Amino acid sequence: AQSVAQPEDQVNVAEGNPLTVKCTYSVSGNPYLFWYVQYPNRGLQFLLKYITGDNLVKGSYGFEAEFNKSQTSFHLKKPSALVSDSALYFCAVRDSTYDKIIFGKGTRLHILP
Amino acid sequence: NAGVTQTPKFQVLKTGQSMTLQCAQDMNHEYMSWYRQDPGMGLRLIHYSVGAGITDQGEVPNGYNVSRSTTEDFPLRLLSAAPSQTSVYFCASRGVNQPQHFGDGTRLSIL
Repeated sequence: AQSVAQPEDQVNVAEGNPLTVKCTYSVSGNPYLFWYVQYPNRGLQFLLKYITGDNLVKGSYGFEAEFNKSQTSFHLKKPSALVSDSALYFCAVRDSTYDKIIFGKGTRLHILP
Repeated sequence: NAGVTQTPKFQVLKTGQSMTLQCAQDMNHEYMSWYRQDPGMGLRLIHYSVGAGITDQGEVPNGYNVSRSTTEDFPLRLLSAAPSQTSVYFCASRGVNQPQHFGDGTRLSIL
């Protein structure tokens, strides 16, 4: 069975500092990995995805994520945080042998001015 | 483009009542899914569909029914609402190997 874990419920970062939001996954086949962001009272917005290719994936709003197959991780990163990055972030995984996409529990990111 | 449209946006039900949450997409996506979002639980997959006439269960399917008679629509039915089904419900659609597009959600309260 596929699963995804976000070990931190909340991450606090000072504005201008680099940020990392952690995600690990478990699949039986090849992983398709995604990051989404959710602002209050809204649906989820897509940030970036890894299907195949380069391990460093660049996405929207200056975010990037690094795929690490040996550690089964897909951490979200940004070199310099903005207050406007404060939101709820979800990691999601799809096993290549199945059609369903499973989400983690989410990590709330607080960027402190 | 409208994208993924969910109706209603808010609903209050009494225990035992039934209702249907509507989801429509105008992107000709094959894949559609229903999730529920609860505090501390993230998004949990209820049911999903890989095309018209094909549906399958997700992580938490009990108490919910779905059907997919057209590519555009994927309604979620609560046959007998229970307080445990109080949640925010999201519908999503996607193309092959593409990320999902989400609706704005339906906030459902069961009294």
